[in-house]
Amino acid sequence: DSGVTQTPKHLITATGQRVTLRCSPRSGDLSVYWYQQSLDQGLQFLIQYYNGEERAKGNILERFSAQQFPDLHSELNLSSLELGDSALYFCASSVGSSNQPQHFGDGTRLSIL
Amino acid sequence: AQTVTQSQPEMSVQEAETVTLSCTYDTSESDYYLFWYKQPPSRQMILVIRQEAYKQQNATENRFSVNFQKAAKSFSLKISDSQLGDAAMYFCAYRGWDGGSQGNLIFGKGTKLSVKP
Repeated sequence: DSGVTQTPKHLITATGQRVTLRCSPRSGDLSVYWYQQSLDQGLQFLIQYYNGEERAKGNILERFSAQQFPDLHSELNLSSLELGDSALYFCASSVGSSNQPQHFGDGTRLSIL
Repeated sequence: AQTVTQSQPEMSVQEAETVTLSCTYDTSESDYYLFWYKQPPSRQMILVIRQEAYKQQNATENRFSVNFQKAAKSFSLKISDSQLGDAAMYFCAYRGWDGGSQGNLIFGKGTKLSVKP
């Protein structure tokens, strides 16, 4: 058990819809990272938050947004969903922004029908 | 931009034997971290081993060890005494030294390891 909790584990929805993925980091971790794993793109970094502030952005679409709340949990919002958004979305957390290993949650499997 | 390449999409090893997974990377930085993550069919991402680029000594974690060749930008993973539970997808990953935009991991495409009984 990594200590990182992601909900829900599975999500099935239709094109054009909006969903919210939730992540609770390990106790004491200030950084949260979101990654997308798909068959064609592999594992790609989306966005990072550190202690409530956006720290870095990767290949995140404009239809996607995220935030980190005062209690340090984070949410990834995906809107106007397309078939190609079907993927496994991971959240990872670490103590600091760089020097410590990232610990991953079990992921949320998003299926777009 | 940094890139990570895993040239072996699939590998196979006999139980109790040794296997080496290859990884090369490209960076202009002098300080960074390298990682191997394991993803079994349960899809969890499990940290196997990590290496700091400033350390010359190769990292070791029980049956797992790395061969880090900084000049060649190579970072291979050796699994000794392979076990059935080692069957998984293995990802090599890079992370820059300091925070900010270099905090995220950059992953290779992965190597699928099968272990034969």
